[in-house]
Amino acid sequence: DIQLTQSPSFLSASVGDRVTITCRASQGISSYLAWYQQKPGKAPKVLIFAASTLQSGVPSRFSGSGSGTEFILTISSLQPEDFATYYCQQLNSYPRTFGQGTKLEIK
Amino acid sequence: QVQLVQSGAEVKKPGASVKVSCKASGYTFTDYYMHWVRQAPGQGLEWMGWINPKSGGTNYVQKFQGRVTMTRDTSISTAYMDLSRLGSDDTAVYYCVREDMIIFGGVLDANWFDPWGQGTLVTVSS
Repeated sequence: DIQLTQSPSFLSASVGDRVTITCRASQGISSYLAWYQQKPGKAPKVLIFAASTLQSGVPSRFSGSGSGTEFILTISSLQPEDFATYYCQQLNSYPRTFGQGTKLEIK
Repeated sequence: QVQLVQSGAEVKKPGASVKVSCKASGYTFTDYYMHWVRQAPGQGLEWMGWINPKSGGTNYVQKFQGRVTMTRDTSISTAYMDLSRLGSDDTAVYYCVREDMIIFGGVLDANWFDPWGQGTLVTVSS
């Protein structure tokens, strides 16, 4: 199974900050990686797929990069509604594994 | 719009079974694989498996082999996830989610999970 390791697991930041979250895969997954945002009590929502393609309707302050084994989610200027938990997921092979999550909190 | 609507919360005793439904609308049900993902309280996302609504074929993660059964009823565009021999560690929110994809030149170009159902809380307690 492909393991995904996100770092950091917790992140404290302020409105307006630029933040990055890293996702490392235990083996190469090409660009078959998606990022999701989850708010308390809600289902996850896709932000980015194919490592760098922004889902329709997602604000342009979100961006993704990487391929192979290292991927980055960047939020260019944090907004109040961005404080949530973020997960990466690999869709290169089965099982469809997720990273352990990164909880983004208000400083 | 594309939507997945799940059945309501369940409370079960240890050893019992639970069946969660997921009704799809806004797209052709048989054109996309349906996955099930669960999330224990305060924990991360755990993929359980998928069903191909067209053929009924399934693929389950090894951890749930022998305990989970995924089925579908194409006449009502509904997928089901049945989990048996429940234990307290099965207490979780269970989500159905469609795998969307882009095929280019007959080759998979991109795939992702969207949309997600609203989730069904299954509580296992004596």
